[in-house]
Amino acid sequence: NAGVTQTPKFRILKIGQSMTLQCTQDMNHNYMYWYRQDPGMGLKLIYYSVGAGITDKGEVPNGYNVSRSTTEDFPLRLELAAPSQTSVYFCASSTTGVEQFFGPGTRLTVL
Amino acid sequence: GENVEQHPSTLSVQEGDSAVIKCTYSDSASNYFPWYKQELGKRPQLIIDIRSNVGEKKDQRIAVTLNKTAKHFSLHITETQPEDSAVYFCAASRNDMRFGAGTRLTVKP
Repeated sequence: NAGVTQTPKFRILKIGQSMTLQCTQDMNHNYMYWYRQDPGMGLKLIYYSVGAGITDKGEVPNGYNVSRSTTEDFPLRLELAAPSQTSVYFCASSTTGVEQFFGPGTRLTVL
Repeated sequence: GENVEQHPSTLSVQEGDSAVIKCTYSDSASNYFPWYKQELGKRPQLIIDIRSNVGEKKDQRIAVTLNKTAKHFSLHITETQPEDSAVYFCAASRNDMRFGAGTRLTVKP
């Protein structure tokens, strides 16, 4: 199993641009999550999903959108990127909603 | 919502000493408390976890204790080694996971 994979690894955006961060898991996990980690800080939950077709807001959802059309994929969409969205983004998945497995992260810089 | 506080923010110990990191949480309904280790530039890795119906759990040199009444839990690392140097995060979860701000542990050889 590849586990949780994320693309791209790095990206630089200009203010106002849009992009989609991709997350795929091959463990047939129902639960998937998106976190952001600012420098020197813990992880903050952006959005999560308990199954295909179901998504819910986390702690910091503003400026982001998600969709979950399949069990495997959970893309995160940034519309109108802002410097405050400069961060490392981690996707995670879980079979039970407790123990979470993290992807390698996407480092995003908005200039 | 849940609020998790973690102390200390930095911790430096001599190789072979013990290290203790403490977290408090606010939501008494939280029922799952994991600890993650994150090395520089890497993803968080689960090292140990505990559920609310257990008071203590041990895995080799690592142990976690939970006091539900006081709403705090702690990570204990014994016989520390240089490779234990990393940032450690606690978290508390009921439906969604809330993380502490992290503790940077440095183990000096």
